[in-house]
Amino acid sequence: DGGITQSPKYLFRKEGQNVTLSCEQNLNHDAMYWYRQDPGQGLRLIYYSQIVNDFQKGDIAEGYSVSREKKESFPLTVTSAQKNPTAFYLCASTPLGESSLDTQYFGPGTRLTVL
Amino acid sequence: EDKVVQSPLSLVVHEGDTVTLNCSYEVTNFRSLLWYKQEKKAPTFLFMLTSSGIEKKSGRLSSILDKKELFSILNITATQTGDSAIYLCAVPEPFGNEKLTFGTGTRLTIIP
Repeated sequence: DGGITQSPKYLFRKEGQNVTLSCEQNLNHDAMYWYRQDPGQGLRLIYYSQIVNDFQKGDIAEGYSVSREKKESFPLTVTSAQKNPTAFYLCASTPLGESSLDTQYFGPGTRLTVL
Repeated sequence: EDKVVQSPLSLVVHEGDTVTLNCSYEVTNFRSLLWYKQEKKAPTFLFMLTSSGIEKKSGRLSSILDKKELFSILNITATQTGDSAIYLCAVPEPFGNEKLTFGTGTRLTIIP
């Protein structure tokens, strides 16, 4: 089945540790996105990538890093520099083009808790 | 900078009631507006609106856009407990990179 997978579903880390969240898609989508969602808030864009080996900062990129070595994979690293990392992280992907906005697919999310 | 504001932030109604959720936006070059429903995990796409005054409908859900007044509403009639969710509104950047700006969402709770 085609779709986006994120792992793990729940993640616990101690303060000061870096942690990497996985996002994989087999939809052959060009663009991939990472969002963060906090309680009572909408989704805020962290990073996005439109092609392999290229990515851009979103609205809240500080304390995060990404890579896009393969079209199907867009891992997000939450570094120790991120002051409030506890949140729900959503990955999304979409083909590029005018008609693609209604086909932005979201993964199931990873809930990260930093103790 | 694009801005999307949703209201109310939270809404609790009884099953069978009709609800109206609001989304207002400020964008430099409007392309479209999207509505999503988020239950426990991933948001799922509901509607994409591009033209003013044309209602999009799917079962008990409908949505309409007013490009002059810069807002959209999402209506749900005869609500059911399965409608309980966060409803998100988003607008894309004007330049075709599909980067979305989301509103804060409205948390809808339907009481049986």
